[in-house]
Parts: sequence; C-alpha cells; structure tokens
Amino acid sequence: EADIYQTPRYLVIGTGKKITLECSQTMGHDKMYWYQQDPGMELHLIHYSYGVNSTEKGDLSSESTVSRIRTEHFPLTLESARPSHTSQYLCASSGRQGSSHEQYFGPGTRLTVT
Amino acid sequence: KNQVEQSPQSLIILEGKNCTLQCNYTVSPFSNLRWYKQDTGRGPVSLTIMTFSENTKSNGRYTATLDADTKQSSLHITASQLSDSASYICVVSDRGSTLGRLYFGRGTQLTVWP
Repeated sequence: EADIYQTPRYLVIGTGKKITLECSQTMGHDKMYWYQQDPGMELHLIHYSYGVNSTEKGDLSSESTVSRIRTEHFPLTLESARPSHTSQYLCASSGRQGSSHEQYFGPGTRLTVT
Repeated sequence: KNQVEQSPQSLIILEGKNCTLQCNYTVSPFSNLRWYKQDTGRGPVSLTIMTFSENTKSNGRYTATLDADTKQSSLHITASQLSDSASYICVVSDRGSTLGRLYFGRGTQLTVWP
C-alpha cells in the first residue's frame, strides 16, 4: 500500500476562508502532484513539482497555490475559498521506476465551501 | 489532442458474473497504459500497467489487454465480487515528457449486486 497521506479527509468551510490541504509521502519520491476531481469526471492536474523548490501549474487553471520546501511535503493553499472550489482534491507522488512513472495516490480531501 | 475515452459509463452486474470494460485512446507518443480502481471517496489504486510490447497482463481476477495498433484496451473482471463495486479508470502516459504526464478517462462506474 502506498505511503501517501492527506489531511483533512473531509472539510466544510465558509466562503472567504483560507485553507491548506496537507499532503505527505514517505517513499522519498521526487515528483508530486495535485489533482482535482468532480463526481463522474476525470482527474485534472492542477499543480506538480519535480522536487524541492520546484512547482508548476498543471492543465487545469486553479486559484490555489502550492509549495515544496521539503521532499516529503506538498501542501495546497486556497487564500479565499469560494463555492466553485468545492471538489475532491487528490495528491499523488512518483519516483523514477524504469519508464513507468507510476503515480501513487493519497485518499483525497473532499472540500465543500458553503 | 490527447484523449482517453471509456465505455460504458456505468455498468451493473450480478455477483459472480464476468464483465469487460473498454478504453480507447489517442495519446501519442504512447508510453504505457494503466487501469486504476477507485473506491468511492478514495484515491485511485493501480491494478495493471502495460507497455507498448505487452498484449495481456493479469492481476488476480483482473485481466487487461492492449492493442497498441488500434489504441484500444480492455479490462476483464472474472467472477465479480461485491467489493469490485468501484470506478475503473483507464490512464495513459505519454513518452514525450519527463514528467510522465498522465491522461485520465472518466472511468466506468461498476456496481455489483448480490
């Protein structure tokens, strides 16, 4: 089983609040990712990181920001949450294994903004 | 445009029956194809991974096939169990990026009834 953790698992907050979704992995992976997933829809990449101090925006535009100060930690922050941010957020990590780029996913954070 | 299409969108079968899920993709250059199982409220978990040269890969009651010429894959589930109820996601990786970019299908929602 993959050693990648996300907290909180569920979060209900009011509009305008600042929130941080935590993601940690203990596999020593250099690459980490954040995905957004709405019910019945595909995962969309919103942020990724090649390693410490490296962050890039993904395919789907997002008002969130990320940081990568430590290899194992990749938090995602929303400065001012809005109802449109309601979604499931999945964190993943990968390390070079031949050419497979296997990504291991965390359990996700279900965010609801009221 | 790189895309991954899955069918059917949803499927209901009785416990003990077999089923086959389909995936068509246009991702190029192709690196590998994975099938993931995603339980409700959880992150995806990898079932199988196949590269260009592999036609069939099994993992217990799950058997995946790949036809790289027609860019089609299938996931066959044998003797279904209630615990097989989940979303099954086809994920294709391209060979053109060091990130190992993944392209996700929307998944097939499988429900197994007793």
